[in-house]
Amino acid sequence: ETGVTQTPRHLVMGMTNKKSLKCEQHLGHNAMYWYKQSAKKPLELMFVYNFKEQTENNSVPSRFSPECPNSSHLFLHLHTLQPEDSALYLCASSPRGGNEKLFFGSGTQLSVL
Amino acid sequence: QQPVQSPQAVILREGEDAVINCSSSKALYSVHWYRQKHGEAPVFLMILLKGGEQKGHDKISASFNEKKQQSSLYLTASQLSYSGTYFCGTEVYSGAGSYQLTFGKGTKLSVIP
Repeated sequence: ETGVTQTPRHLVMGMTNKKSLKCEQHLGHNAMYWYKQSAKKPLELMFVYNFKEQTENNSVPSRFSPECPNSSHLFLHLHTLQPEDSALYLCASSPRGGNEKLFFGSGTQLSVL
Repeated sequence: QQPVQSPQAVILREGEDAVINCSSSKALYSVHWYRQKHGEAPVFLMILLKGGEQKGHDKISASFNEKKQQSSLYLTASQLSYSGTYFCGTEVYSGAGSYQLTFGKGTKLSVIP
């Protein structure tokens, strides 16, 4: 248990659906991240929030929309996704932001049909 | 640019040693190592800062050679619990006072009895 909880663990959605991924951390950290993990590819950073402000958007398509209402919660809103968006989506947190130790959640395995 | 890890996969018998390498074409500020077991969150192992330091974590240690822009992870007397995918992340200066952390594709380590 890393202190970072993601729901749901698995999600299957059609290309016209709208769904949201949720991440919650109970570590008192100020930075939260979304990573995408595809088979045989490196972990790809998508978004970074520091003190609820988005500090990085790694050229992610607009069909992915992040939301960070407070330092403990992070959402990833999904709409009109493509099959190639199927992947494991990992949330992480760290104390201050910057490239320090990351605490990852177990991820949401997303399948887009 | 992502770091290159080698080997891509390795199979060991319990008690054997292994070395996982991580190299970059860019000057490195730090190197991060994580392990991810199947279906679980990546777990932090260690960070090595430039200065050529070495670190240890139980029977897992690592070195960082900043001149060669590479790091090696050493697993000694491997145990079944060492099985998983090992990722290195390399931190490089990306300009305007910012540093970027990029992960490699991972090395899958399987320890068999």
